Amino acid sequence: DQQVKQNSPSLSVQEGRISILNCDYTNSMFDYFLWYKKYPAEGPTFLISISSIKDKNEDGRFTVFLNKSAKHLSLHIVPSQPGDSAVYFCAELYNYGQNFVFGPGTRLSVLP
Amino acid sequence: NAGVMQNPRHLVRRRGQEARLRCSPMKGHSHVYWYRQLPEEGLKFMVYLQKENIIDESGMPKERFSAEFPKEGPSILRIQQVVRGDSAAYFCASSPRQGQADGYTFGSGTRLTVV
Repeated sequence: DQQVKQNSPSLSVQEGRISILNCDYTNSMFDYFLWYKKYPAEGPTFLISISSIKDKNEDGRFTVFLNKSAKHLSLHIVPSQPGDSAVYFCAELYNYGQNFVFGPGTRLSVLP
Repeated sequence: NAGVMQNPRHLVRRRGQEARLRCSPMKGHSHVYWYRQLPEEGLKFMVYLQKENIIDESGMPKERFSAEFPKEGPSILRIQQVVRGDSAAYFCASSPRQGQADGYTFGSGTRLTVV
């Protein structure tokens, strides 16, 4: 049974500093993970992904790290900006790409 | 190029009524997925459809919930005899093909409130 956990419901960071959002998973069929960002009253938008052949994927200010032995991944945002304030969901792709298992989300607040 | 369109944005129903949620996928997308977000929880997969076919409904409650994606028109998520516990945000996503995770696009959701 796949489970994705995000143990920090919220995180506050000062503008310009690093934001680190964490995610743990129990079992993985395909070792393919994604981060989604969600603003209030909007749908989630895809941010960045990582597969098991890598332990790091970078896209601008966003970097995702995957530690397969620890079943842990993290999203780093450097430098954090006020516009990054949103809820971030970690998601695991499974069932041959048919759907996702989402974590409960972490609400990031970037303070000016 | 419009994104995934969901309507209505907000829907209020009394207990026992029916709720119909509509989703028009992005142009060129033939795969539709419905997710539900309960308060303080992540999104939970409900059902995956292609045109005129239900591919995977493993996340759908056994009773009162149904989904369709007809040859013409939007995908419909139907909830009969709604109860307070059905109050949630319902999101639809679409993709051009199966297995293209980066290509999933979500709509803005329908917030259902059962009073």
